[in-house]
Parts: sequence; structure tokens; C-alpha cells
Amino acid sequence: ELKVEQNPLFLSMQEGKNYTIYCNYSTTSDRLYWYRQDPGKSLESLFVLLSNGAVKQEGRLMASLDTKARLSTLHITAAVHDLSATYFCAVDGGSNYKLTFGKGTLLTVNP
Amino acid sequence: DVKVTQSSRYLVKRTGEKVFLECVQDMDHENMFWYRQDPGLGLRLIYFSYDVKMKEKGDIPEGYSVSREKKERFSLILESASTNQTSMYLCASSLVDGAGYTFGSGTRLTVV
Repeated sequence: ELKVEQNPLFLSMQEGKNYTIYCNYSTTSDRLYWYRQDPGKSLESLFVLLSNGAVKQEGRLMASLDTKARLSTLHITAAVHDLSATYFCAVDGGSNYKLTFGKGTLLTVNP
Repeated sequence: DVKVTQSSRYLVKRTGEKVFLECVQDMDHENMFWYRQDPGLGLRLIYFSYDVKMKEKGDIPEGYSVSREKKERFSLILESASTNQTSMYLCASSLVDGAGYTFGSGTRLTVV
């Protein structure tokens, strides 16, 4: 059974600081996805990582994938309040593109 | 833009009622999924479908059934609603090319 673990689950940071969210998974996969969820809203796709060494960047967020270590990171650079949200990673376990999600990281960026 | 539309944003139902949650996507996606989201438990897969009239159980199918009579529509049915089915329900769809999911806006169901 595929397990996906995110840490930390809660992250409170100051504006302007950098931090990294980690996503570990338990079985071989080379497809990993990051989503953002604002309070009371649905999930919005952020990044699609489809190979070992893939790196994607959008604004202050950068995601990477190391399939050998079974690890993805979401790095936040110079955080701003608008980045406050819950971030989920999800892994494709290889069966009909069914995704298994981590529990999410609730990010709060304080002024 | 791909759109995944869930018919209701908020629903309140009584215990024992049969409840239908509808999901429609407009981009000819093969795969469709129903998840529920609860605080501290993340997203859990209830059922999914990779073709018309095909369905597979996810991790928590008990108390639910689904219907996919047309490619664009995937319905989740609560046969006899119970209070422990109070949750946010999220529908998603995807192509088979691994591009990931597109989610609907969610239905917050309260069973009283």
C-alpha cells in the first residue's frame, strides 16, 4: 500500500523567510503532484513532476522530485501572506493514475 | 479551461435519506474520482471510474455507491446517510496521460 507523508503538517513563518515542505512516499513512482487549497475552497494544481530530477518553479515556489530517495520538496522563497494555504502532495502509484495524497501542510505566513 | 462542476456547494440532509452528489466534467476525461476530506485525515478515495459503466472501490467505499452512465458524469450515492458521512466531498477528473487531477469546487455535506 502506497503511503505518502508530508512534514511538517503545520508551518507558521514570517514574511520574507524561506522554508521547505517535504513529501516522502513509500513505493516506486515517478509521478508526483503538488496542490494548493485555500480555506473552504477546492484544490488547485500547482506542479506536475513526471521524472527523476524534475524541477518546476512558479513565483516564490519551487518543487523538485528525487525518485531514488522517494522524496519531493516544495521550497518557499521570501514568503508573503498570499502564500498562506494548505499544500498537498500526491503520488501516482501506477494504477489508473489514481493519486494518494499526503495529509497536507497548513502554511501560515505572518506579517 | 477544464471545468469540473459539482451540482451543490452545500447540502443538509437527514439521517437515513438517500443522497445524490453529481459531478460533471466538460473535457472528455477518461478518469473520474470521488474523495472525501476530513480534518486531520486528508483526502481519502471513495470510488473511481476509468470508463463509462466501470467503477472501482477506493479506500473507504462502505456506505457509498457510484454511477457512471455517461463519460462526463460521475455520481456519488449515499444509500442511507449517516452523521459520520458529514464531510467535504471532492470530485476530480483526469486524462490517462498522467497530467494530474482537476478538482471540482467541492460539496460540503451535513447529515443531521
